[in-house]
Amino acid sequence: QQQVKQSPQSLIVQKGGISIINCAYENTAFDYFPWYQQFPGKGPALLIAIRPDVSEKKEGRFTISFNKSAKQFSLHIMDSQPGDSATYFCAAKEGLRGSNYKLTFGKGTLLTVNP
Amino acid sequence: NAGVTQTPKFQVLKTGQSMTLQCAQDMNHNSMYWYRQDPGMGLRLIYYSASEGTTDKGEVPNGYNVSRLNKREFSLRLESAAPSQTSVYFCASIVGRWNTEAFFGQGTRLTVV
Repeated sequence: QQQVKQSPQSLIVQKGGISIINCAYENTAFDYFPWYQQFPGKGPALLIAIRPDVSEKKEGRFTISFNKSAKQFSLHIMDSQPGDSATYFCAAKEGLRGSNYKLTFGKGTLLTVNP
Repeated sequence: NAGVTQTPKFQVLKTGQSMTLQCAQDMNHNSMYWYRQDPGMGLRLIYYSASEGTTDKGEVPNGYNVSRLNKREFSLRLESAAPSQTSVYFCASIVGRWNTEAFFGQGTRLTVV
């Protein structure tokens, strides 16, 4: 079953607008929630992340909102720019036995910011 | 500082052929992962190696084998390639018990005809 559900699959926003991408999870063992950004032809790269004891984290124009009771988190991109056009993945981390861990990714959102 | 290096970058195989995708990291990380990326499917975990000497199945392991050769290298083998294995394959090295970060390679675009 899909452990991390991401929506929408694609998103078109005008320059200067707000982009919002949502994710939901079921596994309460998840204890860390990063977002990755991927440009065409490249591997994903960490954008911003949040721990479940925090409800919001902001880095520049990027903000994660986290709702632990609803098991949902979202990425907000303020003042969206054409250079933000990329695929965005939410992810969730769970610890395994010992000091090991596993990252599970959502299906991704293709964001297009029109000039 | 190369980070995670994957080879080859592109490959075309005929159905039934075998090949090995190579991955090496120079960051001294314990954990390494193989994902495949398909349109509309996101990143799906094939196999992972939490530490040298161990490997575990991920979400879509069928048709693949892996070898954690040493701490630096983690290879993915297709024994008998099928068109359904046409995909972009990413190797990742993962670090951090609490603030976990994955470092991805550039990817291998594989086409099976």
